Amino acid sequence: QKEVEQNSGPLSVPEGAIASLNCTYSDRGSQSFFWYRQYSGKSPELIMFIYSNGDKEDGRFTAQLNKASQYVSLLIRDSQPSDSATYLCAVKAGGGNKLTFGTGTQLKVEL
Amino acid sequence: ETGVTQSPTHLIKTRGQQVTLRCSSQSGHNTVSWYQQALGQGPQFIFQYYREEENGRGNFPPRFSGLQFPNYSSELNVNALELDDSALYLCASKGDFGLTDTQYFGPGTRLTVL
Repeated sequence: QKEVEQNSGPLSVPEGAIASLNCTYSDRGSQSFFWYRQYSGKSPELIMFIYSNGDKEDGRFTAQLNKASQYVSLLIRDSQPSDSATYLCAVKAGGGNKLTFGTGTQLKVEL
Repeated sequence: ETGVTQSPTHLIKTRGQQVTLRCSSQSGHNTVSWYQQALGQGPQFIFQYYREEENGRGNFPPRFSGLQFPNYSSELNVNALELDDSALYLCASKGDFGLTDTQYFGPGTRLTVL
């Protein structure tokens, strides 16, 4: 079992729709959860981080965390073509700063 | 703009050679981590430095080594390059203070090993 799992996609949504990206993790000691966006050929860009169970909203983005189910998700409202990218879920467990990444979900927002 | 820079942008080496990649963090960011991202994969943690000392390492062989300098710059050295070392190499820095432990990535160095 991979430590952090994501559906590789591609996930295709029409412009203006809600995109839902999901991630599960195996280490129950995980404390911090991050979503990064990565455009082709570029480095990951931090979108959201969440530490506590529940929802955290920032503009069109909402991160959801359920530690009991070991599940974290990212919702993108009013999806735009510029949102088309690979979305990486990352988890930090314990001390140190090591991030464990999933393989990423490719999102395509179609006109 | 994360304030993290990396050089060079691209690099081509042949198998068996050695390579040095460089990273410059923001002033005050004493933690730097290096990651390897193969095509189609998520970044994999190589190691982390804090105030010039390595204090965390992933599942990478000793031919991957690093240095961190007092001026917030750091290096990743890879000896005896293998074809599988072809990847995007990312450094990420983090400050000592603040309410979050978020890390900010530089633009990366694309290494191709022939």
